[in-house]
Amino acid sequence: EPEVTQTPSHQVTQMGQEVILRCVPISNHLYFYWYRQILGQKVEFLVSFYNNEISEKSEIFDDQFSVERPDGSNFTLKIRSTKLEDSAMYFCASELPPMDTQYFGPGTRLTVL
Amino acid sequence: KQEVTQIPAALSVPEGENLVLNCSFTDSAIYNLQWFRQDPGKGLTSLLLIQSSQREQTSGRLNASLDKSSGRSTLYIAASQPGDSATYLCAPPPPGRRALTFGSGTRLQVQP
Repeated sequence: EPEVTQTPSHQVTQMGQEVILRCVPISNHLYFYWYRQILGQKVEFLVSFYNNEISEKSEIFDDQFSVERPDGSNFTLKIRSTKLEDSAMYFCASELPPMDTQYFGPGTRLTVL
Repeated sequence: KQEVTQIPAALSVPEGENLVLNCSFTDSAIYNLQWFRQDPGKGLTSLLLIQSSQREQTSGRLNASLDKSSGRSTLYIAASQPGDSATYLCAPPPPGRRALTFGSGTRLQVQP
Protein backbone atom coordinates (compact mmCIF):
# COMPACT_ATOMS: atom_id res chain seq x y z
CA GLU A 1 0.00 0.00 0.00
CA PRO A 2 1.43 3.44 -0.89
CA GLU A 3 2.69 5.46 2.04
CA VAL A 4 4.25 8.80 2.88
CA THR A 5 7.95 8.55 3.71
CA GLN A 6 10.14 11.03 5.56
CA THR A 7 13.87 11.45 5.98
CA PRO A 8 15.77 11.61 8.20
CA SER A 9 13.95 9.91 11.07
CA HIS A 10 15.98 11.93 13.58
CA GLN A 11 18.00 15.10 13.06
CA VAL A 12 20.13 16.82 15.65
CA THR A 13 21.34 20.34 14.94
CA GLN A 14 22.87 23.32 16.66
CA MET A 15 20.82 26.45 17.30
CA GLY A 16 21.09 28.86 14.38
CA GLN A 17 21.78 26.17 11.80
CA GLU A 18 19.60 25.52 8.77
CA VAL A 19 17.81 22.22 8.43
CA ILE A 20 15.88 20.63 5.59
CA LEU A 21 13.33 17.95 6.31
CA ARG A 22 12.33 15.75 3.42
CA CYS A 23 9.13 14.00 2.53
CA VAL A 24 7.99 11.83 -0.35
CA PRO A 25 4.18 12.06 -0.53
CA ILE A 26 1.99 9.39 -2.05
CA SER A 27 2.62 9.63 -5.77
CA ASN A 28 -0.72 10.76 -7.18
CA HIS A 29 -1.66 13.04 -4.28
CA LEU A 30 -2.15 16.75 -4.87
CA TYR A 31 -2.22 18.41 -1.45
CA PHE A 32 0.82 18.34 0.81
CA TYR A 33 1.09 19.37 4.44
CA TRP A 34 3.55 19.88 7.25
CA TYR A 35 2.50 19.55 10.88
CA ARG A 36 4.55 19.47 14.04
CA GLN A 37 4.15 18.05 17.52
CA ILE A 38 6.18 19.38 20.39
CA LEU A 39 6.73 16.69 23.00
CA GLY A 40 3.61 16.25 25.11
CA GLN A 41 1.58 18.75 23.11
CA LYS A 42 -1.04 18.67 20.36
CA VAL A 43 -0.27 18.17 16.70
CA GLU A 44 -0.19 21.63 15.08
CA PHE A 45 -0.66 22.60 11.45
CA LEU A 46 2.18 24.51 9.80
CA VAL A 47 1.52 24.79 6.07
CA SER A 48 -0.29 23.28 3.12
CA PHE A 49 0.85 23.25 -0.49
CA TYR A 50 -1.16 22.80 -3.66
CA ASN A 51 -0.45 23.45 -7.32
CA ASN A 52 3.11 24.55 -6.52
CA GLU A 53 2.19 27.20 -4.03
CA ILE A 54 1.29 27.61 -0.39
CA SER A 55 -2.47 27.33 0.05
CA GLU A 56 -2.66 27.83 3.82
CA LYS A 57 -0.23 28.58 6.61
CA SER A 58 -0.45 29.01 10.34
CA GLU A 59 0.95 31.71 12.60
CA ILE A 60 3.81 29.34 13.42
CA PHE A 61 4.96 29.33 9.79
CA ASP A 62 6.92 32.58 9.81
CA ASP A 63 9.78 33.80 7.63
CA GLN A 64 12.13 31.23 9.14
CA PHE A 65 10.20 28.47 7.41
CA SER A 66 9.86 27.66 3.73
CA VAL A 67 8.53 24.77 1.69
CA GLU A 68 9.41 23.51 -1.73
CA ARG A 69 8.50 20.78 -4.15
CA PRO A 70 11.77 20.66 -6.08
CA ASP A 71 10.75 17.80 -8.34
CA GLY A 72 7.78 15.54 -8.97
CA SER A 73 8.26 13.45 -5.86
CA ASN A 74 9.86 15.35 -2.96
CA PHE A 75 8.34 17.92 -0.63
CA THR A 76 10.69 19.74 1.73
CA LEU A 77 10.46 21.93 4.80
CA LYS A 78 13.39 24.26 5.46
CA ILE A 79 14.03 26.02 8.74
CA ARG A 80 16.59 28.75 8.10
CA SER A 81 17.93 29.43 11.57
CA THR A 82 16.77 26.87 14.10
CA LYS A 83 15.77 27.81 17.62
CA LEU A 84 15.52 25.63 20.71
CA GLU A 85 11.73 25.85 20.50
CA ASP A 86 11.77 24.29 17.02
CA SER A 87 12.56 20.95 18.65
CA ALA A 88 9.59 18.76 17.78
CA MET A 89 8.38 15.87 15.68
CA TYR A 90 7.61 17.11 12.17
CA PHE A 91 5.01 15.23 10.16
CA CYS A 92 4.39 15.39 6.45
CA ALA A 93 0.97 14.46 5.07
CA SER A 94 -0.59 14.18 1.64
CA GLU A 95 -4.12 14.05 0.28
CA LEU A 96 -5.92 13.29 -2.95
CA PRO A 97 -9.09 15.33 -3.35
CA PRO A 98 -11.96 14.71 -3.20
CA MET A 99 -11.20 11.82 -0.83
CA ASP A 100 -10.26 14.33 1.96
CA THR A 101 -8.28 11.76 3.94
CA GLN A 102 -4.83 13.00 4.93
CA TYR A 103 -2.13 10.33 5.10
CA PHE A 104 0.73 11.00 7.44
CA GLY A 105 4.36 9.99 7.31
CA PRO A 106 6.26 8.52 10.28
CA GLY A 107 7.78 11.89 11.19
CA THR A 108 11.21 13.44 11.64
CA ARG A 109 12.29 14.13 15.18
CA LEU A 110 14.21 17.42 15.19
CA THR A 111 16.38 18.17 18.20
CA VAL A 112 17.91 21.64 18.42
CA LEU A 113 20.78 21.98 20.89
CA LYS B 1 -10.77 29.45 15.54
CA GLN B 2 -11.56 25.76 15.84
CA GLU B 3 -10.99 24.31 19.32
CA VAL B 4 -11.10 20.55 19.84
CA THR B 5 -11.57 18.79 23.17
CA GLN B 6 -11.28 15.06 23.75
CA ILE B 7 -12.65 13.23 26.76
CA PRO B 8 -11.46 11.22 28.57
CA ALA B 9 -7.78 12.15 28.43
CA ALA B 10 -6.83 8.61 29.43
CA LEU B 11 -8.62 5.31 29.70
CA SER B 12 -7.53 1.91 30.97
CA VAL B 13 -9.82 -1.05 30.37
CA PRO B 14 -9.64 -4.85 30.39
CA GLU B 15 -9.58 -6.65 27.08
CA GLY B 16 -12.96 -7.26 25.48
CA GLU B 17 -14.71 -4.11 26.64
CA ASN B 18 -16.59 -1.84 24.28
CA LEU B 19 -15.33 1.74 24.43
CA VAL B 20 -16.57 5.21 23.62
CA LEU B 21 -14.15 8.05 22.98
CA ASN B 22 -15.58 11.56 22.77
CA CYS B 23 -14.58 14.58 20.73
CA SER B 24 -16.16 18.02 20.79
CA PHE B 25 -15.38 21.00 18.57
CA THR B 26 -16.39 24.62 18.77
CA ASP B 27 -17.13 25.46 15.15
CA SER B 28 -19.73 23.06 13.83
CA ALA B 29 -19.64 24.23 10.20
CA ILE B 30 -17.12 21.54 9.27
CA TYR B 31 -17.27 19.45 6.12
CA ASN B 32 -15.53 16.38 7.54
CA LEU B 33 -13.74 14.99 10.58
CA GLN B 34 -10.91 12.51 10.72
CA TRP B 35 -9.96 10.09 13.51
CA PHE B 36 -6.35 8.99 13.89
CA ARG B 37 -4.37 6.58 15.98
CA GLN B 38 -0.89 7.47 17.25
CA ASP B 39 1.45 4.91 18.78
CA PRO B 40 4.18 6.25 21.12
CA GLY B 41 6.90 8.03 19.19
CA LYS B 42 5.25 7.20 15.88
CA GLY B 43 3.29 8.87 13.13
CA LEU B 44 -0.46 9.18 12.76
CA THR B 45 -2.51 6.43 11.21
CA SER B 46 -5.81 7.45 9.67
CA LEU B 47 -8.67 5.34 11.04
CA LEU B 48 -11.83 6.88 9.69
CA LEU B 49 -12.97 9.97 7.85
CA ILE B 50 -16.57 10.98 8.27
CA GLN B 51 -18.10 13.53 5.92
CA SER B 52 -20.51 16.19 7.19
CA SER B 53 -23.29 14.59 5.17
CA GLN B 54 -22.79 11.30 7.02
CA ARG B 55 -23.88 10.44 10.52
CA GLU B 56 -21.74 7.32 10.86
CA GLN B 57 -18.75 5.58 9.32
CA THR B 58 -17.56 2.07 10.11
CA SER B 59 -14.31 0.19 9.63
CA GLY B 60 -14.05 -3.23 11.23
CA ARG B 61 -14.48 -2.87 14.99
CA LEU B 62 -14.46 0.94 14.76
CA ASN B 63 -17.49 3.12 14.33
CA ALA B 64 -17.40 6.92 14.20
CA SER B 65 -20.45 9.12 14.51
CA LEU B 66 -20.81 12.81 13.83
CA ASP B 67 -23.38 15.26 15.18
CA LYS B 68 -22.52 18.59 13.62
CA SER B 69 -25.33 20.49 15.29
CA SER B 70 -23.98 19.71 18.74
CA GLY B 71 -20.31 19.84 17.70
CA ARG B 72 -19.58 16.26 18.72
CA SER B 73 -18.06 13.12 17.31
CA THR B 74 -17.76 9.73 18.97
CA LEU B 75 -15.41 6.86 18.21
CA TYR B 76 -16.76 3.51 19.31
CA ILE B 77 -14.34 0.58 19.62
CA ALA B 78 -15.95 -2.83 19.92
CA ALA B 79 -14.38 -5.77 21.74
CA SER B 80 -11.16 -3.97 22.58
CA GLN B 81 -7.81 -5.75 22.26
CA PRO B 82 -4.34 -5.03 23.72
CA GLY B 83 -3.24 -4.04 20.21
CA ASP B 84 -5.73 -1.16 20.36
CA SER B 85 -3.55 0.52 23.01
CA ALA B 86 -2.56 3.90 21.56
CA THR B 87 -3.56 7.55 21.59
CA TYR B 88 -6.65 8.36 19.56
CA LEU B 89 -6.87 11.80 17.99
CA CYS B 90 -9.85 13.63 16.59
CA ALA B 91 -9.21 16.25 13.88
CA PRO B 92 -11.82 18.40 12.20
CA PRO B 93 -10.62 21.12 9.85
CA PRO B 94 -11.90 24.65 10.48
CA PRO B 95 -14.74 25.57 8.13
CA GLY B 96 -13.56 26.35 4.64
CA ARG B 97 -10.05 25.03 5.26
CA ARG B 98 -8.21 21.76 4.75
CA ALA B 99 -5.71 22.10 7.60
CA LEU B 100 -6.62 19.80 10.46
CA THR B 101 -7.08 21.00 14.03
CA PHE B 102 -6.17 18.30 16.52
CA GLY B 103 -7.40 17.51 19.98
CA SER B 104 -5.05 16.40 22.75
CA GLY B 105 -6.20 12.85 22.29
CA THR B 106 -7.42 9.99 24.45
CA ARG B 107 -4.64 7.68 25.64
CA LEU B 108 -6.06 4.16 25.68
CA GLN B 109 -4.54 1.19 27.50
CA VAL B 110 -6.21 -2.19 27.00
CA GLN B 111 -5.10 -4.70 29.61
CA PRO B 112 -4.77 -8.37 28.55
